[in-house]
Amino acid sequence: QSALTQPASVSGSPGQSITISCTGTSSDVGGYNYVSWYQQHPGEAPKLMIYEVTNRPSGVSDRFSGSKSGNTASLTISGLQAEDEADYYCSAYTITYTWVFGGGTKVTVL
Amino acid sequence: QMQLVESGGGVVQPGKFLRLSCTASGFIFSSVGMHWVRQAPGKGLEWVAFVSFDASNKFYGASVKGRSSISRDNFKDTLYLEVNNLRVEDTAVYYCVKERSRTWSFDFWGQGTLVTVSS
Repeated sequence: QSALTQPASVSGSPGQSITISCTGTSSDVGGYNYVSWYQQHPGEAPKLMIYEVTNRPSGVSDRFSGSKSGNTASLTISGLQAEDEADYYCSAYTITYTWVFGGGTKVTVL
Repeated sequence: QMQLVESGGGVVQPGKFLRLSCTASGFIFSSVGMHWVRQAPGKGLEWVAFVSFDASNKFYGASVKGRSSISRDNFKDTLYLEVNNLRVEDTAVYYCVKERSRTWSFDFWGQGTLVTVSS
């Protein structure tokens, strides 16, 4: 199972909105609504930010939102803040009963 | 609060065997599926293995399939991962991860244990 495709880096100024894409295939991203997103700060464990494409766990800011169209899922961060600077990973469940991650996107707040 | 504490990491020679453990607390361990996810130094996340709440289903990533085994002891609230024939490319931080039930997502992560495969 190949890794999902994410841009290596995305940047934005405080207050702006940015979107991170995550492209897979009909066997993973496009096949189910089981796409999730994770935030990882340096030296820390990842944290679940979005599950089932659009759902936020309690405690996650509503500045984070998810969507999906076909084989591409997206994470949007609105009102960008300094604390949002981190690595972000998408993940999808696949038709072969496995999970696959994206390569990760480094978000920089200018 | 929820806690996942991994142990068993360290330096291991290529070709050898490794057993990782993860002790859970703060939630009903026996009711949720569990994963192992790893991250090579400076690299991205890689899913390793999954075991269902009752151990009736087990799935593995391609890079460890055939030389690893995931298991759990619901009486001890502990998750295990065994890997045989270790390779240099198995060097990574191994995270124990609780699933978010029925959402196929990774709900809560331990702090990880570093495995270094080197001669």
